[in-house]
Amino acid sequence: DQQVKQNSPSLSVQEGRISILNCDYTNSMFDYFLWYKKYPAEGPTFLISISSIKDKNEDGRFTVFLNKSAKHLSLHIVPSQPGDSAVYFCAASALTNAGKSTFGDGTTLTVKP
Amino acid sequence: DAGITQSPRYKITETGRQVTLMCHQTWSHSYMFWYRQDLGHGLRLIYYSAAADITDKGEVPDGYVVSRSKTENFPLTLESATRSQTSVYFCASKEGLAGGEQYFGPGTRLTVT
Repeated sequence: DQQVKQNSPSLSVQEGRISILNCDYTNSMFDYFLWYKKYPAEGPTFLISISSIKDKNEDGRFTVFLNKSAKHLSLHIVPSQPGDSAVYFCAASALTNAGKSTFGDGTTLTVKP
Repeated sequence: DAGITQSPRYKITETGRQVTLMCHQTWSHSYMFWYRQDLGHGLRLIYYSAAADITDKGEVPDGYVVSRSKTENFPLTLESATRSQTSVYFCASKEGLAGGEQYFGPGTRLTVT
């Protein structure tokens, strides 16, 4: 049973428009959520996170929204840039669970110039 | 160099051989993790370690062995490699317990023939 799901394997948007990446989770114990970005032949790098006590966290062009009742989070990128083209992983963790994170399968974002 | 490194970056081995993937971090982070990423899948946790001499199984530990005699090193050994272990392997480290992101190495692409 996959506890973190990213139902869209890929997303294509035009440069300058908004990119919205979605993530759903099933485990109510998750209380900390992260997004990572991965370029080919590199390891994932941290992008932005949100604690369950918040419903929104913003960092420049990146905003993460958390809807605890729906067990859903989303990453908004505005405006999208070609350099944002990468695989985005959603991850969830329970602060009582030894710092481990459970990852989704990723969404490949392509931003077209 | 500061950061987290993995070696080798690429490895081809034969079925039945033992192979060890190395991971080294310079931050003295408490936590270290090994993941595998297969095509179309996210990051699946193989083993993790909360501190030197403390290791525990993740989601897919079968066929793998880890050790952590020093805080900075976390080698992963495939005792008898199988074709199903062909994958990209990522090592990661993390400080603290509550929240916080993981820092990933560049990955090792392992092919078992």
